[in-house]
Amino acid sequence: AQSVAQPEDQVNVAEGNPLTVKCTYSVSGNPYLFWYVQYPNRGLQFLLKYITGDNLVKGSYGFEAEFNKSQTSFHLKKPSALVSDSALYFCAVRAPTGGAGSYQLTFGKGTKLSVIP
Amino acid sequence: SAVISQKPSRDICQRGTSLTIQCQVDSQVTMMFWYRQQPGQSLTLIATANQGSEATYESGFVIDKFPISRPNLTFSTLTVSNMSPEDSSIYLCSVGWSSGMYEQFFGPGTRLTVL
Repeated sequence: AQSVAQPEDQVNVAEGNPLTVKCTYSVSGNPYLFWYVQYPNRGLQFLLKYITGDNLVKGSYGFEAEFNKSQTSFHLKKPSALVSDSALYFCAVRAPTGGAGSYQLTFGKGTKLSVIP
Repeated sequence: SAVISQKPSRDICQRGTSLTIQCQVDSQVTMMFWYRQQPGQSLTLIATANQGSEATYESGFVIDKFPISRPNLTFSTLTVSNMSPEDSSIYLCSVGWSSGMYEQFFGPGTRLTVL
């Protein structure tokens, strides 16, 4: 079974500083990895994905993530945090094994990011 | 991508009643999913709704409690039956494709409170 761990319930960062939200995963085979963001009283918005190829992927709103196969990690990063980045961030994994079940996303428990002015 | 709407956006219901949540997509999609997000928790997949076949339920979720319809490629409903306060959650619809797009896109969610 696949799983995702987000070790930090909350991350606080000062505006303008770099931010990192951590994610590690466990899955059989090569993973498909995703980051989503949830603003208060809103649904999930897709930020970025890793499918194959370059380990550094860039996404919406200046976010990027680095896939590290040896450490089974997919940390979300941004060089300069904005107050408007404050939200709940979810990492998710999908196993590319084929068949109906492989389309299922498994989510981490989420990390609340607070950017302090 | 896809634009997804859900109705209602929120509701307050009495114990023992049922609520049907609608999910409408602006384009045809292969797969539709229903998730539950309990207060302060992550998302848990309830079921996968595929057009032309019965929904596939995850462990811990049963059709009698969460009947799902998928009459066409742009619409699905989830019913929460015989509700109890433990059913108070956000229910999210998402869509995906069997080829090409790997990510899922989510609707805005339905916030359900059961008294």
